[in-house]
Amino acid sequence: GENVEQHPSTLSVQEGDSAVIKCTYSDSASNYFPWYKQELGKRPQLIIDIRSNVGEKKDQRIAVTLNKTAKHFSLHITETQPEDSAVYFCAAASGSARQLTFGSGTQLTVLP
Amino acid sequence: GAGVSQSPSNKVTEKGKDVELRCDPISGHTALYWYRQSLGQGLEFLIYFQGNSAPDKSGLPSDRFSAERTGGSVSTLTIQRTQQEDSAVYLCASSSQPSRQAEAFFGQGTRLTVV
Repeated sequence: GENVEQHPSTLSVQEGDSAVIKCTYSDSASNYFPWYKQELGKRPQLIIDIRSNVGEKKDQRIAVTLNKTAKHFSLHITETQPEDSAVYFCAAASGSARQLTFGSGTQLTVLP
Repeated sequence: GAGVSQSPSNKVTEKGKDVELRCDPISGHTALYWYRQSLGQGLEFLIYFQGNSAPDKSGLPSDRFSAERTGGSVSTLTIQRTQQEDSAVYLCASSSQPSRQAEAFFGQGTRLTVV
């Protein structure tokens, strides 16, 4: 089955700096890659996703890039703000049923 | 309802008792996942239902755990003879037709405490 690895497990940045979280996947047939944000005590919520037919997608301060050849994708957050502090999960959808496999999560802390 | 609903929101049980956790997915969603999240940890996959296909049970940690999904809608996760290490938040998520690769919507979770 699919295996998704996520790095780093924790990340601290100064407010205003950029943050980058990276994930690799094992199944070359995976073609859907969502990112979820989980604030403390809350449920994970989708913030951005990318499909395998594009290499980059942006939504305001967040962007995701995908390198199908290397089987890795990354989340980029620019001009970080304290409210960006949360746990971020990447995921990949594989198999005929497009089952989601999640990474282990990254605890992002934005320091004021 | 508009979102994924889980019940109860909190459950305290004595070691050795059985518990049932319920998930009401978004109407029409064919895919349903159960995850376990211990404090400060990631999402541990438990089980995946997709339509009428056989569920992927590969994440269930022991034979004390089982889940069913009746009529392709409501799902129940059952933990028998609970142990203290079962204490965690149990999250359910659903998504629509897999070919659309739509996002998975999570419920608010059930916080299980085994004392």
